Amino acid sequence: QVTLRESGPALVKPTQTLTLTCTFSGFSLSTSGMCVSWIRQPPGKALEWLARIDWDDDKYYSTSLKTRLTISKDTSKNQVVLTMTNMDPVDTATYYCARMSSSSWPTFDYWGQGTLVTVSS
Amino acid sequence: SYELTQPPSVSVSPGQTARITCSGDALPKQYAYWYQQKPGQAPVLVIYKDSERPSGIPERFSGSSSGTTVTLTISGVQAEDEADYYCQSADSSGTLFGGGTKLTVL
Repeated sequence: QVTLRESGPALVKPTQTLTLTCTFSGFSLSTSGMCVSWIRQPPGKALEWLARIDWDDDKYYSTSLKTRLTISKDTSKNQVVLTMTNMDPVDTATYYCARMSSSSWPTFDYWGQGTLVTVSS
Repeated sequence: SYELTQPPSVSVSPGQTARITCSGDALPKQYAYWYQQKPGQAPVLVIYKDSERPSGIPERFSGSSSGTTVTLTISGVQAEDEADYYCQSADSSGTLFGGGTKLTVL
């Protein structure tokens, strides 16, 4: 059974750095073809893909946000971490992590429940 | 920069056919995928590779492609189909979502 769960602060201040952790089970990110992405959704707005990390540690970032994002993985802990620097109120959103596998590529076959991050002073 | 463009909203009465479009310059070269998202829930894939339907998705959901536009068609719309729908495309280096379309069942 594949599950993903996002964790991190619910509230961050402007200019701070956000660190989110995706803890997953039911698959290994060392398995060929496995990938985990971060996707966010501001309240009432559209989905926005942020970053992806692959089983071979290749990393990909949204062009518009790449200077602020870092994605990493800890295969032994079954975790993927996303950091976003210089947070702004417009970054207020629900942040999801989602799995992409070789059989589902390029779609996301499993999603976490999402975690709402509010940026406010 | 490359974008996927969807109408913000589509409204239909129960039993009618809803068509939601997604336009993008890369769509002739890339497949499109469609997700349904209901309030407070994560998205669910309803169409992949332009027109294929995952197992468990009702037959009333179908997809088509023509040039730079892909279309999600929901035939015989039911009240439970009221949701936001997002198209998605991807290449080896990233993923792009459309702006989403709110389907209202009148």
